[in-house]
Amino acid sequence: DSGVTQTPKHLITATGQRVTLRCSPRSGDLSVYWYQQSLDQGLQFLIQYYNGEERAKGNILERFSAQQFPDLHSELNLSSLELGDSALYFCASSVRGRGIDSGELFFGEGSRLTVL
Amino acid sequence: SQQGEEDPQALSIQEGENATMNCSYKTSINNLQWYRQNSGRGLVHLILIRSNEREKHSGRLRVTLDTSKKSSSLLITASRAADTASYFCVTGAYSGAGSYQLTFGKGTKLSVIP
Repeated sequence: DSGVTQTPKHLITATGQRVTLRCSPRSGDLSVYWYQQSLDQGLQFLIQYYNGEERAKGNILERFSAQQFPDLHSELNLSSLELGDSALYFCASSVRGRGIDSGELFFGEGSRLTVL
Repeated sequence: SQQGEEDPQALSIQEGENATMNCSYKTSINNLQWYRQNSGRGLVHLILIRSNEREKHSGRLRVTLDTSKKSSSLLITASRAADTASYFCVTGAYSGAGSYQLTFGKGTKLSVIP
């Protein structure tokens, strides 16, 4: 058990809909990362938050947004869903988020999104 | 853009044999990590090697890093069926904009046959 909790584990929805994925990082970890994993694209970095502030942005679509709350949990919002958004969405946390060594990431078990 | 590229994409070996996976990257890094992912599960950190280190061991794992060749290898000795998983290398480096980024390769799928 990594200590990172993601909900829901599975989600099935229709095109055009909006969903929210939730992540609770390990106790004490200030950084939260979101990744998308699909069969043909591998693991793609979406966005990172550190102590409530956006730290880095990857290949995140404009239809997607995220935030990190004062209690450090994070939510990833996916809107106007398309078939191609079907994927596993992972959240990871780490203690650090600044400086040379961001160190080890602790991953949740992921949220599997299926868009029909 | 993809930083780490694992080779081979898939590897099948008999239990008890050693498994070697390689990772090549393009730009300078601060550290390199290896992660394991069992099918459909979250990734699990295996080992981190810093840019000033050449070799690191952890149990049955041995990681080497050659910064002159921009490559790393992960060796799993005396493999077990439970080692069946995908293995990812992750490079850590500063981007041109000054932010620190971790970049995942596409992984090597290891199958260990009992």
